[in-house]
Amino acid sequence: QVTLRESGPALVKPTETLTLTCTFSGFSLAPAGMCVSWIRQSPGKALEWLARIDWDDDKYYTPSLETRLTVSKDTSKDQVVLIMANMDPVDTATYYCARTPRGGRPGNYYYYMDVWGKGTTVTVSS
Amino acid sequence: EIVLTQSPGTLSLSPGERATLSCRASQRVADHYIAWYQQKPGQPPRLLTHGESSRAAGVPDRFSASGSVTDFTLTISRLEPEDFAMYYCQHYGHAPIFTFGPGTKVEIK
Repeated sequence: QVTLRESGPALVKPTETLTLTCTFSGFSLAPAGMCVSWIRQSPGKALEWLARIDWDDDKYYTPSLETRLTVSKDTSKDQVVLIMANMDPVDTATYYCARTPRGGRPGNYYYYMDVWGKGTTVTVSS
Repeated sequence: EIVLTQSPGTLSLSPGERATLSCRASQRVADHYIAWYQQKPGQPPRLLTHGESSRAAGVPDRFSASGSVTDFTLTISRLEPEDFAMYYCQHYGHAPIFTFGPGTKVEIK
């Protein structure tokens, strides 16, 4: 059974750095085509994709937040870490990690988020 | 960057009715780059379809996805009580980035 679980502080102050950990089980980040994404959802708002880390350690970020985000993985621990610098109240949201496998065929690959964690709520307030 | 628009914002229907949800992309996209998700209050999104209209594991066959170029549709053939929820379309781009639409709420009439 594939599961993911997000963990981290529930409350951070403006300008602080947020560190979230995604601990997963039931799959490995080692095989080609396997990735993990981070997505957030502000209260009452739509989903916003933040970052993705791939089996080969390639990393991708949403352009609007790229300078503030860092994603890393520890394959031996089955964990992915997201760091977001310089937190602001507008970053208050539920943060999700999701398994992101590759589909399609060579030259026509695509990625999708098939199993999600329950999410962790982060409030940014002084 | 591709922008996704979903319509209607809210769809009010009765159980047993057919639901048709629209997702429009701001520019031409490959149809297998569109996915659909369902989200209920307090829960994470659940993948419904991906690729060329492939249903995710455990998704009932009353859910089907179609479309091409810029216009994509999620159809629920006969609404069950558990289908009343929020639905998001998502595009995977070659940047590579993921873009979500603003969502359509399917509510009980």
